[in-house]
Amino acid sequence: DAMVIQNPRYQVTQFGKPVTLSCSQTLNHNVMYWYQQKSSQAPKLLFHYYDKDFNNEADTPDNFQSRRPNTSFCFLDIRSPGLGDAAMYLCATSRDRGTGDEKLFFGSGTQLSVL
Amino acid sequence: AQSVAQPEDQVNVAEGNPLTVKCTYSVSGNPYLFWYVQYPNRGLQFLLKYITGDNLVKGSYGFEAEFNKSQTSFHLKKPSALVSDSALYFCAVRVYNQGGKLIFGQGTELSVKP
Repeated sequence: DAMVIQNPRYQVTQFGKPVTLSCSQTLNHNVMYWYQQKSSQAPKLLFHYYDKDFNNEADTPDNFQSRRPNTSFCFLDIRSPGLGDAAMYLCATSRDRGTGDEKLFFGSGTQLSVL
Repeated sequence: AQSVAQPEDQVNVAEGNPLTVKCTYSVSGNPYLFWYVQYPNRGLQFLLKYITGDNLVKGSYGFEAEFNKSQTSFHLKKPSALVSDSALYFCAVRVYNQGGKLIFGQGTELSVKP
């Protein structure tokens, strides 16, 4: 089945130690999103890629970066994780972004802990 | 600014009873509204959406939602709740002129007791 896959499921890192989360998709969707979700809160969009075009949200800290080397893969890099970055990170895709009626497909998320 | 609000942090329902999870929205232009469900330690799953047409939309797992333009609401409903419906429910609006991103409400925890 076509899907959005996030690895790892759980990630533990140390304060200040760079960490990378990965997302892959077999849907061949043009758009890939990264959301941050803290405990029982609404997911918050960090940034998205439309094909190779990177779109950062205005309030996303510089500590968060992303790479999309090809259509299938997208990475979230946290350069110097702080305790406040502990959260669930959700990757999502959509076929396009030009119309408003397309749903997003989510991965299962990566739960990041910062020690 | 586009936004959605879910006024209830938690909804408790007995199994077999009807359930309603409330959502109100604020958008400029025509709203594209969605409901997603999140089970513990999982990603979000699409339930249903309203784009245009019939005000009552039907979705997955027996859920439906009613779009009410005058009240700017999009409440999620199910005629008979199941224990397995217990989860976190998010209402969302699609902002099609800002990269198509979804803006989520704060979520409502639904608890269905036997």
